[in-house]
Amino acid sequence: GQQVMQIPQYQHVQEGEDFTTYCNSSTTLSNIQWYKQRPGGHPVFLIQLVKSGEVKKQKRLTFQFGEAKKNSSLHITATQTTDVGTYFCAGPEGGGNKLTFGTGTQLKVEL
Amino acid sequence: DAGVIQSPRHEVTEMGQEVTLRCKPISGHNSLFWYRQTMMRGLELLIYFNNNVPIDDSGMPEDRFSAKMPNASFSTLKIQPSEPRDSAVYFCASSRTASNSPLHFGNGTRLTVT
Repeated sequence: GQQVMQIPQYQHVQEGEDFTTYCNSSTTLSNIQWYKQRPGGHPVFLIQLVKSGEVKKQKRLTFQFGEAKKNSSLHITATQTTDVGTYFCAGPEGGGNKLTFGTGTQLKVEL
Repeated sequence: DAGVIQSPRHEVTEMGQEVTLRCKPISGHNSLFWYRQTMMRGLELLIYFNNNVPIDDSGMPEDRFSAKMPNASFSTLKIQPSEPRDSAVYFCASSRTASNSPLHFGNGTRLTVT
């Protein structure tokens, strides 16, 4: 079946430093979604990318979808303590709405 | 919009007991998903329904697990008998049926089986 891997698994940064997580799928994706899960919380949808090479920004967050539509990245500029959590990418398996979640990257931000 | 509602929030039970988790999806969402989250295995899809019909239950670990969706506003996930390795956070999520629709997750049920 489809596998979605993310690196790194963990990242500790000082507040103000940048952060990037990378997502790689074993299959080509029709779209990719990103979610954030705060400690003790549930995954919350952040954004969806559909087009090859697409780049979208949300304030300090920049999302990119690879040209081959098999990989994606999330970059956070100047991290803040509110960015703490685990970031997941997720892609649909086949042509339906069954989402496979990546392994996640846990971000910790220290003052 | 009340969001996806799950109950109970926490469940502690002894090995061998039956456990029933409940979920109310967002009104108007035609797809419902049950996920399990553990440190070792991450977020695993157990089963999902479209229009109350189970579409893919390949993630259900074994026959001890069963899920039902008797109507558009209610679903249950049952474990019988429960085992310590079933301890995890179980999330229910709903979405519109289209393949690019985002998932809306409930707050989850933290299950501990002793």
